[in-house]
Amino acid sequence: ETGVTQSPTHLIKTRGQQVTLRCSSQSGHNTVSWYQQALGQGPQFIFQYYREEENGRGNFPPRFSGLQFPNYSSELNVNALELDDSALYLCASSHSDSYEQYFGPGTRLTVT
Amino acid sequence: GNSVTQMEGPVTLSEEAFLTINCTYTATGYPSLFWYVQYPGEGLQLLLKATKADDKGSNKGFEATYRKETTSFHLEKGSVQVSDSAVYFCALQTANFGNEKLTFGTGTRLTIIP
Repeated sequence: ETGVTQSPTHLIKTRGQQVTLRCSSQSGHNTVSWYQQALGQGPQFIFQYYREEENGRGNFPPRFSGLQFPNYSSELNVNALELDDSALYLCASSHSDSYEQYFGPGTRLTVT
Repeated sequence: GNSVTQMEGPVTLSEEAFLTINCTYTATGYPSLFWYVQYPGEGLQLLLKATKADDKGSNKGFEATYRKETTSFHLEKGSVQVSDSAVYFCALQTANFGNEKLTFGTGTRLTIIP
């Protein structure tokens, strides 16, 4: 069974640029959630995708957007990057019949 | 809204010491409660869970009991090892389905000294 994978592992961007982060779900999972973990903090919920539609959103501005594909993989897009967007971005997959979310290793984004 | 309050760290213990990391929560409805662990440079791993009051979650020698009367879910281990050094997050979820967000505490960094 393949776990949740994320790419890239690390990324450095300049303020104002755009970035796309990718996540592949664990086999059999149909739901993907994205979290932002700032240094020294707990993860904060960004949004969730279920059946290719957004299914809940946290307190993040519209420049954070996402997609889910028919194979349940997902992308997180962030436009007009700000310094405060520097964080570890975590993807978690789950099945709608279960409460357990399985996390990927994360993408470390640094905005300079 | 939902929130989780964790014992502030960092916590430093000697090997074989007893560990307690406090966690209390505020939630609407009947949450499921979790402890996640994050090792250096890695993502989150589910350590244990409890889905209803008085349930005890356990894994790898760690235990936590869901106490509805005190809204707590304290993490304990009788004898810690160096390999337990990590950051521990308490979290809650207010529906027993995958399509519901997790609300995390700020994390407690644990360091075990040989």
